[in-house]
Amino acid sequence: DIQLTQSPPFLSAAVGDRVTITCRASHDINDFLAWYQQKPGRAPNLLVSGAVGLRSGVPSRFSGGRSGTEFTLTISSLQPEDFATYFCQQLKSDPPLFGGGTRVEVK
Amino acid sequence: QDQLEQSGAELKKPGSSVRISCKASGGLPNSQLINWVRQAPGQGLEWMGRIIPVHRSSDYAQAFRGRATISADRSTGTSYMELTGLTSADTAVYYCARASYPGWGSFSLPFDTWGQGTLLLVSS
Repeated sequence: DIQLTQSPPFLSAAVGDRVTITCRASHDINDFLAWYQQKPGRAPNLLVSGAVGLRSGVPSRFSGGRSGTEFTLTISSLQPEDFATYFCQQLKSDPPLFGGGTRVEVK
Repeated sequence: QDQLEQSGAELKKPGSSVRISCKASGGLPNSQLINWVRQAPGQGLEWMGRIIPVHRSSDYAQAFRGRATISADRSTGTSYMELTGLTSADTAVYYCARASYPGWGSFSLPFDTWGQGTLLLVSS
């Protein structure tokens, strides 16, 4: 199975901060990586697919990046509605596992 | 926009079974498949398996083979996930999630629409 190591597990930040979450794959997965946002008591919501493709309707302050097997989700200027948990997911091969999650909390 | 509506919360005893439904407002066309994902309290997301309605075939994560059955009724646009031999470790929120399916066994597209989740509590 392709494993994803997501870091950090917790992140404290203030409104306006630039935040970067990292997801490292155990094998080459090309661009088959997605990012999701989940708020408490809600289902996950797709933000980014194909490693760098922002989903329609997602604010442009979110961006995805890739360098080899390391992937990043960056929020350029954190907004109050962005405090949530973020998950990466690999879609290169079965099973389509998720990273452990990064909880972004208010500093 | 197509939505997925799941059945309500369930309270089950250890050793019993549960069946959770997921109704797609837009039906289950050939170009879509349904995944099932669960999330234990305070934990991450765990993929359980998928149903490819056009092929009437299912795939499962190793941890759920033999214990989970995912099915679909295209006439009603509904997918079902049945889990047997319940234990307290199965207490979780269960989600269905749709992905586009371009065919030829390609499962590389993300989960773009999710149901609201169904809480399963397993307790004696």
